[in-house]
This record gives sequence, C-alpha cells and structure tokens, in this order.
Amino acid sequence: NAGVMQNPRHLVRRRGQEARLRCSPMKGHSHVYWYRQLPEEGLKFMVYLQKENIIDESGMPKERFSAEFPKEGPSILRIQQVVRGDSAAYFCASSIGMQETQYFGPGTRLLVL
Amino acid sequence: DAKTTQPPSMDCAEGRAANLPCNHSTISGNEYVYWYRQIHSQGPQYIIHGLKNNETNEMASLIITEDRKSSTLILPHATLRDTAVYYCIVRVSGSARQLTFGSGTQLTVLP
Repeated sequence: NAGVMQNPRHLVRRRGQEARLRCSPMKGHSHVYWYRQLPEEGLKFMVYLQKENIIDESGMPKERFSAEFPKEGPSILRIQQVVRGDSAAYFCASSIGMQETQYFGPGTRLLVL
Repeated sequence: DAKTTQPPSMDCAEGRAANLPCNHSTISGNEYVYWYRQIHSQGPQYIIHGLKNNETNEMASLIITEDRKSSTLILPHATLRDTAVYYCIVRVSGSARQLTFGSGTQLTVLP
C-alpha cells in the first residue's frame, strides 16, 4: 500500500512565479492536511481539506495561497507570486477520517530565487 | 490542545533503550498522546499513540502515567537510524484539528 505521495520533491521558482504542489493521499484516505516547515523551524499547520471541501484554513496566509482537493485527482497547494519567504518544506498528511492518525508524505522543498 | 514540554536534546548509545520523556500536565480526559519523529527533514513519521493505557507496537512502547500528566516513549534497542527529532503531541479525540508540533527532542544515537 503506497504511502502519501508528493510531487515534485524539489521545486525552484523565481520571485513572482507560481508554485503548484501536489499531494496524493494514501489509498482510502479522504482527509488531507498541509503543513509548512520554514528553515530551522517546526511544522506549522496550513489547511485541512476533505474531498471538494476546505474544512479549516486557519493556518493559511490570507493572500497568494490557496488549496483544493477535487473529487478526482490529487490535492493541490497553490502559491501565486512567490516571494523568498515562501522558501520552505511543504508536507502533506492524510488520514482515513478526521479522528484518525495522520500519515505524512516526503514533502516538497520549495526554493524561491 | 494541551501544551507539551520535552527536553531539547538527548543522547543514547546504540543498542541501548532510549527513553524520551514528555510532560503534558494540562492534558484533559479526551486528549490522546501522539508521538512522531522527523529524520533529517524527511516527512514526519508516525510512531505510536495512546489515551491512558500503555501501548506497544513494532517500533516503540508508550508509557503513560496514571494521572496522564506525563509519558515516556521507549525505543527498546536504539540504532543509528533512530537519530531524529521526536515530537510528543496531544490531540483531542474526535477532533478534526491539526497536529501542533512543538520543538521536540533531538535524539542522537551514538555508536
């Protein structure tokens, strides 16, 4: 049973470009969480989604960041007009249900030049 | 969710048991204790969780005190690959809330 998949594993963008990060949850999991880890810092929650619904986006920056989890396909975290401060590791986790254990993917390392 | 306190770092000799403590003195009755680890900036790895009974799986054992104000994660025979940051997290049962990661404990297993 494959684990949580994230791609790309590494992403380089210039300031002002868009970054799209993808997360495929574990088979049978319909709940997805996104976390961000800035250099030398701990993981911080960003957003929690179920299929086609954003349940909690209290950790998302108010501008430039958006997330979706369509009925078909992976969850997408989109960052528009990236700035250097967006450079970080972005981790996705999935769970079977909201009460269940979250399992993490390997992360996407975003570097903004 | 209850706040947790962990020592910032610990060392352990290879082959010996690693005992990682966690204080969660404000834990409430419906909060679980979860342990994750992060090996050198990889994705966090789930280890174990429990409510009030001690738990054991293939990776580790979790000992929770009777008053639930603290717990200990035990890696019975630490290997060099167990070197990682270990996070103790409390989470409300039945909650859709996110995991709140603190600073964790940097465990270094020494040869």
